[in-house]
Amino acid sequence: QKEVEQNSGPLSVPEGAIASLNCTYSDRVSQSFFWYRQYSGKSPELIMSIYSNGDKEDGRFTAQLNKASQYVSLLIRDSQPSDSATYLCAVKSTRGTGTALIFGKGTTLSVSS
Amino acid sequence: ETGVTQTPRHLVMGMTNKKSLKCEQHLGHNAMYWYKQSAKKPLELMFVYNFKEQTENNSVPSRFSPECPNSSHLFLHLHTLQPEDSALYLCASSQGADYGETQYFGPGTRLLVL
Repeated sequence: QKEVEQNSGPLSVPEGAIASLNCTYSDRVSQSFFWYRQYSGKSPELIMSIYSNGDKEDGRFTAQLNKASQYVSLLIRDSQPSDSATYLCAVKSTRGTGTALIFGKGTTLSVSS
Repeated sequence: ETGVTQTPRHLVMGMTNKKSLKCEQHLGHNAMYWYKQSAKKPLELMFVYNFKEQTENNSVPSRFSPECPNSSHLFLHLHTLQPEDSALYLCASSQGADYGETQYFGPGTRLLVL
């Protein structure tokens, strides 16, 4: 059973701080990793994708991938109250004869002003 | 959200009712998905269609019946549901045959089974 694990939170940070969200996965051959943001009552929206070891930056967001440790993280710099949401980690994993995105339960982030 | 649309947005049904959820994508994608999202549980993949062909049924009970008439439309037919089927049902689409890549989600249908 392929799994993606995230701390459910809530993770609380003050406005302007760095929020660090972590995710581990069990399928060692996974190649594609995604972070989605989901506001309460809304559908998930893609924030970042990462495929290679190291860091990938996009504005205030940085995704970090360490395949040896089977670990992927998302850093949010200068956190804003509008960043308050649930962040879903998703991993493309082998499944039967194909592949599928396996989602974690999500980490709830709360940014206080 | 206009790339993938879903109707209805909210649905209340009794256990003996029959209803259908509709999803339409305007992104020119070839793969479409149904997910179920229950409280405090991960997104659960239900069905995958690739070029109109069902390529995955994730052990979903037969009271859920998908239909994909073309690459742009996906339906989920519901009948004799149980209260535990109450959840947010999300449709998603992705670009090509190598599904599992970046998926774009619709707004979801929030279903309540009484």
